[in-house]
Amino acid sequence: EPEVTQTPSHQVTQMGQEVILRCVPISNHLYFYWYRQILGQKVEFLVSFYNNEISEKSEIFDDQFSVERPDGSNFTLKIRSTKLEDSAMYFCASKDREFGQFFGPGTRLTVL
Amino acid sequence: GEDVEQSLFLSVREGDSSVINCTYTDSSSTYLYWYKQEPGAGLQLLTYIFSNMDMKQDQRLTVLLNKKDKHLSLRIADTQTGDSAIYFCADRSTGFQKLVFGTGTRLLVSP
Repeated sequence: EPEVTQTPSHQVTQMGQEVILRCVPISNHLYFYWYRQILGQKVEFLVSFYNNEISEKSEIFDDQFSVERPDGSNFTLKIRSTKLEDSAMYFCASKDREFGQFFGPGTRLTVL
Repeated sequence: GEDVEQSLFLSVREGDSSVINCTYTDSSSTYLYWYKQEPGAGLQLLTYIFSNMDMKQDQRLTVLLNKKDKHLSLRIADTQTGDSAIYFCADRSTGFQKLVFGTGTRLLVSP
């Protein structure tokens, strides 16, 4: 069964450093998403991406965040200058035209 | 803004039915979803219901939607120890892509 994959599974970084989280969505899907879950809190929407552009973003997704689909398979989330409060589990998801969003296993980001 | 709420914990015995409840505030929900998260894993899509439906059954899973009360439930028949996990409900509004998640209900199934 096709699935969303994410790398790395765990990323540790120093405050102020840039990180790139990578995702490979399901191959025939058209919509791509990033969510995050801070420990003990709800899963929160960050951004959705369709037709090579951002279609929706939350107030969390400020200028420090960017997304890219550099080729036909990868979907990345970049955080330019990480803060302590960016520590969270980051989930990538993808969807075709119908049904629900399929999530990857997540990348745990720890900012020290 | 929209809000989705769930009770935090449910404990059942193996073989019993489990009912996980969810309430939401969004009046323009299009789809409502149930996801399962096992330890160390991502969110697995279990089932969904369109907002003009009252009920959907999928093998051991039954979803009930009361749109008037904005109440959603997931019933798991013949609950097994492998069903132990955190269950999240989520809603999607008309015209939006984002999912709004509940807090998650931790289901513990004892033998």
